Amino acid sequence: DAGVIQSPRHEVTEMGQEVTLRCKPISGHNSLFWYRQTMMRGLELLIYFNNNVPIDDSGMPEDRFSAKMPNASFSTLKIQPSEPRDSAVYFCASSLARSNLYGYTFGSGTRLTVV
Amino acid sequence: DQQVKQNSPSLSVQEGRISILNCDYTNSMFDYFLWYKKYPAEGPTFLISISSIKDKNEDGRFTVFLNKSAKHLSLHIVPSQPGDSAVYFCAASGSGTNAGKSTFGDGTTLTVKP
Repeated sequence: DAGVIQSPRHEVTEMGQEVTLRCKPISGHNSLFWYRQTMMRGLELLIYFNNNVPIDDSGMPEDRFSAKMPNASFSTLKIQPSEPRDSAVYFCASSLARSNLYGYTFGSGTRLTVV
Repeated sequence: DQQVKQNSPSLSVQEGRISILNCDYTNSMFDYFLWYKKYPAEGPTFLISISSIKDKNEDGRFTVFLNKSAKHLSLHIVPSQPGDSAVYFCAASGSGTNAGKSTFGDGTTLTVKP
């Protein structure tokens, strides 16, 4: 397995533009997580899915952020419109549901810069 | 309110010596605790975990200790190697409706000097 695959690795966009981040989880994993890492707030959970269903989106900063998981092998995180304060590294991770002792498998992240 | 805290932003040790990374938590509902290692430009990698019914878990050079009464856990690396230089994140998760959802600390940057 190639692990969790995120694309793009880097994204530079202008304020106001729509940004879509993509994630392919590990086959067989039924939980998927979107995290954001910033210097100020560290690693914060944005949203997570179990069996393609959003379970907790309380970490989504505001309505400009949305996430979908149309099937078990694909998820997107969309920001519309983007703002400079959205600049961060966005990580996708997957795991077997409720496997608390086995941890997540993270992707390499998408570094987003909004100018 | 930060529920998982790593109070030391950085730690430097000599190769061959012990590295001890510390983590404190405030939520008594956490049942599982994990450590991740992160290299630059990569995602965190799961390292070792422990459930709240244990006080120690060992995997090779890595040992995690849990003190529930103090709400404190630590990661010991013995002996430390230069390749261990990375950012280490402590994470905690609960059970029931919060099963599988992890809260992370801010990380500690470990530097192992040759």
